Amino acid sequence: EVHLVESGGGLVQPGGSLRLSCATSGFTFSSYEMNWVRQAPGKGLEWVSYISSSATTIYYADSVRGRFTISRDNAKNSLYLQMNSLRAEDTAVYYCARDLVLVRGVFDYWGQGTLVTVSS
Amino acid sequence: EIVLTQSPGTLSLSPGERATLSCRASQSVSSNFLAWYQQKPGQAPRLLIYGASSRATGIPDRFSGSGSGTDFTLTISRLEPEDFAVYYCQQYGSSPPWTFGQGTKVEIK
Repeated sequence: EVHLVESGGGLVQPGGSLRLSCATSGFTFSSYEMNWVRQAPGKGLEWVSYISSSATTIYYADSVRGRFTISRDNAKNSLYLQMNSLRAEDTAVYYCARDLVLVRGVFDYWGQGTLVTVSS
Repeated sequence: EIVLTQSPGTLSLSPGERATLSCRASQSVSSNFLAWYQQKPGQAPRLLIYGASSRATGIPDRFSGSGSGTDFTLTISRLEPEDFAVYYCQQYGSSPPWTFGQGTKVEIK
């Protein structure tokens, strides 16, 4: 069974940093493209970042480009999101999400999410 | 960036009724790269439909998607109690950013 488990969220001051992790199991992680998607409290979904299976292709939403860095460790079956220069508007539940095989940009499995709160 | 507008914002229906949800794009969605997700309170989204009309694995056939170009529809033929939730459309054209609509809430009347 496919499992995605995020961790690393919490309360951080504006301008601070946080690193999110997503531990995966139940599938061959190194064969799948992965994403981070976020949801501000009471709001809709926003795609944040994408990384290809071998990490050779990476995309970011304009709202986070230059501040966030996506990475992966295929040996550890894990996905990461390094978030720097955090702003209040980055407050959200952050989900890691797996791409549907051969369909880039469709998310077939999601973690339960980890809450990031940016506040002084 | 393609903007997706969903309507209505809220749909009040009874179990057994038919639900029709709309998603309109600000420009044509290439190759009908349009997906639908269901989200219940406190849960992660769940993929229902991709390619505008292909059901994801394990999705009941009461869920169907249709449309092309800029206008897409999710239909739930007969609402079950577990179908009351928020539904999002999403476009995933060849290049990001991949964008979501603002959501339609299907509530019990």
